[in-house]
Amino acid sequence: AQSVSQHNHHVILSEAASLELGCNYSYGGTVNLFWYVQYPGQHLQLLLKYFSGDPLVKGIKGFEAEFIKSKFSFNLRKPSVQWSDTAEYFCAVTTNFGNEKLTFGTGTRLTIIP
Amino acid sequence: DAGITQSPRHKVTETGTPVTLRCHQTENHRYMYWYRQDPGHGLRLIHYSYGVKDTDKGEVSDGYSVSRSKTEDFLLTLESATSSQTSVYFCAILKEGSYEQYFGPGTRLTVT
Repeated sequence: AQSVSQHNHHVILSEAASLELGCNYSYGGTVNLFWYVQYPGQHLQLLLKYFSGDPLVKGIKGFEAEFIKSKFSFNLRKPSVQWSDTAEYFCAVTTNFGNEKLTFGTGTRLTIIP
Repeated sequence: DAGITQSPRHKVTETGTPVTLRCHQTENHRYMYWYRQDPGHGLRLIHYSYGVKDTDKGEVSDGYSVSRSKTEDFLLTLESATSSQTSVYFCAILKEGSYEQYFGPGTRLTVT
């Protein structure tokens, strides 16, 4: 079975700092990769996704992620964070094409200090 | 938000009582999912459905059952609630063709 690792459990940054959140998955075959964001008290929202093609994908709110197949990684980046980016971020993967069961990482809590 | 609602939004119940959570969607999506969210575990799949009366287990299905008698409704039942089932439960739908899942607002369940 596939698994997803997010090694950063809590990240604290100042506004305007650059962000990179790590995500590694374990599965040798074809994957679809996702980043979701959960703002305090809200449900999950899709930030961006990778299915195929250009390994650098851009999402909403200035976020981007790079798929590096050789490293089994899909790290999330943002060049300059804002206080409103304070949230929990989840990486997820699907490998069972057809039923699309998502396997999530444990999440990274991001706190932005004004 | 893909027209997903969950009810109730909050519930407190006692150990041993049955509990049913409802997920309702308005867009006729075939696939629906139930996840639970717990600190340190992220979201974990409980059960999912790929059509009316078609369901299958996820990774944490013990103690839960589901039913889907109509396309728009997916019910999650805790037959005899335990304190370990205190959690936030999220329903999701799959937008076919896009491989994207969209989540409902969640139900916070506390089992005392």
